[in-house]
Amino acid sequence: SQQGEEDPQALSIQEGENATMNCSYKTSINNLQWYRQNSGRGLVHLILIRSNEREKHSGRLRVTLDTSKKSSSLLITASRAADTASYFCATDELRQAGTALIFGKGTTLSVSS
Amino acid sequence: GAGVSQSPRYKVTKRGQDVALRCDPISGHVSLYWYRQALGQGPEFLTYFNYEAQQDKSGLPNDRFSAERPEGSISTLTIQRTEQRDSAMYRCASSPGQPSPLHFGNGTRLTVT
Repeated sequence: SQQGEEDPQALSIQEGENATMNCSYKTSINNLQWYRQNSGRGLVHLILIRSNEREKHSGRLRVTLDTSKKSSSLLITASRAADTASYFCATDELRQAGTALIFGKGTTLSVSS
Repeated sequence: GAGVSQSPRYKVTKRGQDVALRCDPISGHVSLYWYRQALGQGPEFLTYFNYEAQQDKSGLPNDRFSAERPEGSISTLTIQRTEQRDSAMYRCASSPGQPSPLHFGNGTRLTVT
């Protein structure tokens, strides 16, 4: 099952522009994470935001979380060609025992120079 | 080791054969996850362990799939009587606990002919 759903599915921008990706989810969560994946390689963790946090920054990344709307956004400022990748949100879904991290389908970002 | 190690990197097998995929997590990491990822899709949750205990196996597609982590470290995902639809990238990830970022391995590309 996939809990989160990213929007848009694909995004193309020019270097220097900002990129915004959104994630919506269905159930209550304890935390939400964003990951990046370059061209079919391994996933790399970007940022974790807890349910009691509304905004978090890491370098050029800004993540917001709105638990009332069950949504999150990832903003990449001043994008670079190296930011070209797929971006996934992941939420902890309460399971029978403990929680499991469930990923969305991702947004493919293309940054051209 | 420094990161999560998966072996083999590539596995080609004939339909009906059994395969075993190995994951060596980061030393000391409590949680270990298995995901399957189709091209252009997000990681699909299969199962996860805390120490040697399999916490949730509800993501395993059917009873041909099984996983174990007998000593709380290395894990093996076994697929019996493989079918062509099992072809995918199988990814393992580990974390110090929950909630924590996941550290992904480079995956095993399974092709069933």
